Amino acid sequence: NAGVTQTPKFQVLKTGQSMTLQCAQDMNHEYMSWYRQDPGMGLRLIHYSVGAGITDQGEVPNGYNVSRSTTEDFPLRLLSAAPSQTSVYFCASKMNRVLYPNYGYTFGSGTRLTVV
Amino acid sequence: EDQVTQSPEALRLQEGESSSLNCSYTVSGLRGLFWYRQDPGKGPEFLFTLYSAGEEKEKERLKATLTKKESFLHITAPKPEDSATYLCAVRRDYKLSFGAGTTVTVRA
Repeated sequence: NAGVTQTPKFQVLKTGQSMTLQCAQDMNHEYMSWYRQDPGMGLRLIHYSVGAGITDQGEVPNGYNVSRSTTEDFPLRLLSAAPSQTSVYFCASKMNRVLYPNYGYTFGSGTRLTVV
Repeated sequence: EDQVTQSPEALRLQEGESSSLNCSYTVSGLRGLFWYRQDPGKGPEFLFTLYSAGEEKEKERLKATLTKKESFLHITAPKPEDSATYLCAVRRDYKLSFGAGTTVTVRA
């Protein structure tokens, strides 16, 4: 298994540009999430999904869109990039909590995004 | 609003010098407390999940414990390879709320 794969690993955007961060998992995990990590602030939840076709907002959803058309993929779209969106973005996935309660989220290696 | 506070922010240890990291939390309807390890430039790596006060879990030199208001991660006789940032998170519904982490440096 490749686990959770994020692309690209690095990206520089200009203010106002849009882009999609890709996330794919091959573990047939039901739950998927997007987080951003900023120095001194910890990981903050952007959007999450509990299954194909189901998404919901996290703590900091403004400026981001998601969709989940398949179990495997959960792309994050930046609609109009702003310097405040400069961050490291992590995608994570997890098996169903009820069936597998002692497993945590598996994280990807991250996308480092700079908006200038 | 869920709050997770980790202390200390940084910890420098000599190899073999045991210590503990603290994670205090306030959350309504806790559905699990998680510990992760994060190495520089990488994503967090899952260590433990705890659900009930009094629960303990161990993995090599690490032991996690849980009370109703806080969790401890004990590092026994650490080695340089235990150097990393350790993250604590609490789960409510489908959402994880993370603390800012404790960066542990173990010197040989």
